Amino acid sequence: SQQGEEDPQALSIQEGENATMNCSYKTSINNLQWYRQNSGRGLVHLILIRSNEREKHSGRLRVTLDTSKKSSSLLITASRAADTASYFCATDGRHGGSQGNLIFGKGTKLSVKP
Amino acid sequence: NAGVTQTPKFQVLKTGQSMTLQCAQDMNHEYMSWYRQDPGMGLRLIHYSVGAGITDQGEVPNGYNVSRSTTEDFPLRLLSAAPSQTSVYFCASSYALRPGSHRVTEAFFGQGTRLTVV
Repeated sequence: SQQGEEDPQALSIQEGENATMNCSYKTSINNLQWYRQNSGRGLVHLILIRSNEREKHSGRLRVTLDTSKKSSSLLITASRAADTASYFCATDGRHGGSQGNLIFGKGTKLSVKP
Repeated sequence: NAGVTQTPKFQVLKTGQSMTLQCAQDMNHEYMSWYRQDPGMGLRLIHYSVGAGITDQGEVPNGYNVSRSTTEDFPLRLLSAAPSQTSVYFCASSYALRPGSHRVTEAFFGQGTRLTVV
């Protein structure tokens, strides 16, 4: 079963606005990662936050992690049309422990209109 | 550095046929995984490997076989294709924070193989 669940499933905003996506997960984790997928392409890693971190920044991205609530959020500030993509959270796998695989949520589809 | 390379990009199979999806990485990563992506389902783990000679099942392994004879290659075999295996398949590789720790950092993905079984 999938570990992470993103919310909302779809989000449509205007260029320049901020976009916030949320992820909830079920079991304890070592780290949580966010990925972007442009239509028809492979996933690209955006940011990783460790379980002992609460917030992390990378350019226009800000990720928070609340392990007590088993949730994370991804904020994209000053969005651009090029940010249009699907965004996935992923946690370290539960199959045989943290053995090199990731469990993904179903993703949030972000549309940024010019 | 090519990263993770998957071939073919597109494939159409008839029900009952077998085929192998190829995946190769040139980053000397220990960990490799296969996922399938279906509309509305996100990515689901099929099989994974923590090193040459070691493989294990993921969430949806039925109908698929894998082997890992080298660090670089991790082929996925469909034994007898079924329409339910129509999907986009992604291969990924990653590395451990510390050797032997099994705590991985970012995963690198191939561009995917779009498979249709008719």
